[in-house]
Amino acid sequence: GAVVSQHPSWVICKSGTSVKIECRSLDFQATTMFWYRQFPKQSLMLMATSNEGSKATYEQGVEKDKFLINHASLTLSTLTVTSAHPEDSSFYICSARDDWETNEKLFFGSGTQLSVL
Amino acid sequence: DQQVKQNSPSLSVQEGRISILNCDYTNSMFDYFLWYKKYPAEGPTFLISISSIKDKNEDGRFTVFLNKSAKHLSLHIVPSQPGDSAVYFCAAYYNNNDMRFGAGTRLTVKP
Repeated sequence: GAVVSQHPSWVICKSGTSVKIECRSLDFQATTMFWYRQFPKQSLMLMATSNEGSKATYEQGVEKDKFLINHASLTLSTLTVTSAHPEDSSFYICSARDDWETNEKLFFGSGTQLSVL
Repeated sequence: DQQVKQNSPSLSVQEGRISILNCDYTNSMFDYFLWYKKYPAEGPTFLISISSIKDKNEDGRFTVFLNKSAKHLSLHIVPSQPGDSAVYFCAAYYNNNDMRFGAGTRLTVKP
């Protein structure tokens, strides 16, 4: 089946630094990718919708300048957490929809556990 | 705004018995519903889905039931197996870019 590769799987960084997370669709094209954040024991919260070749669409309450999204190709979207702070520590997951699939299911990356010291 | 709710954070069943996971939603615009399964340290994987024009969809041991009037859906797993132990997310969808997830239910199937 379709595979979405997310890298890194975990990262520890100092407060004030920036962290980039990559999401790649390995065997399909994805014009649209999604970025989620998950706090312990809570739901996946949609942060933004990443669209290839255009600006991302952010959910209400998500800071655009804090969470920079770049979707430069049909197989790669990146999320950069800028000037990270301890409250940004969370589990981040990306997902992608196959452009050629008619159903609505998403394929998820394995997630990135971010810890900001 | 929690539009999709899974009120049971955990469920424990015996191997071979039926597992029933429940999900409620508030937005009547949702027209497509999905269940995802998630193991620790992995991303969710698609399990089964149902369109709002149906009230039941079956795939092997997994059946999803949709009650639109009650805004309720459920996932039945029968017979349950230890490998089914995971967190199950209910998701609902109504336009091209807006899928909402429940908080998940942790299923434990005991041998």
